[in-house]
Amino acid sequence: ETGVTQSPTHLIKTRGQQVTLRCSSQSGHNTVSWYQQALGQGPQFIFQYYREEENGRGNFPPRFSGLQFPNYSSELNVNALELDDSALYLCASSLGQGDQPQHFGDGTRLSIL
Amino acid sequence: GENVEQHPSTLSVQEGDSAVIKCTYSDSASNYFPWYKQELGKRPQLIIDIRSNVGEKKDQRIAVTLNKTAKHFSLHITETQPEDSAVYFCAATPFWGSASKIIFGSGTRLSIRP
Repeated sequence: ETGVTQSPTHLIKTRGQQVTLRCSSQSGHNTVSWYQQALGQGPQFIFQYYREEENGRGNFPPRFSGLQFPNYSSELNVNALELDDSALYLCASSLGQGDQPQHFGDGTRLSIL
Repeated sequence: GENVEQHPSTLSVQEGDSAVIKCTYSDSASNYFPWYKQELGKRPQLIIDIRSNVGEKKDQRIAVTLNKTAKHFSLHITETQPEDSAVYFCAATPFWGSASKIIFGSGTRLSIRP
């Protein structure tokens, strides 16, 4: 069974740039959620994708957007990067929504200069 | 809005003693409560979860209790060991029909003293 994998592991960008982060869900999982984890804090829910549609969103501006593909892999796109976007971005997959256990990837460490 | 409060933020216990972490949630639509362990530089790892139709669940040295009326849930670790040292996060999942989100607490840094 293949676990959740994310790429890249580290990324450095400058303010105003755009970034795309990628996630491959665990084998058999059809739901992907994205989180932002700032240093010393808990993960903050960005959004969730189920069967290629966004079906839940946290308090993040529209410049945070995503996609889910037919193979259930997913992308997180962030436009007009700001210094506060520096964080660990975690992807988690699950078998369905709601009360299904989510399993996390190792994350992408994004640094904004 | 939805919120999960977690206490304490740091906890130090003697090896072999018990550790208790408590959380409170605000959204009554929450029906699933997972707990994650995150070691330094690693991914959050699901260690136990509980659903709203159950009051208590145990897995070896780890147990979780849920009081839906009071909107409280707690993690209990007995016979603590050095490898239990990590940051622990509670979470609540409000779920309405086809939409859901997961709200994490701010974490508890648990240190086990030898």
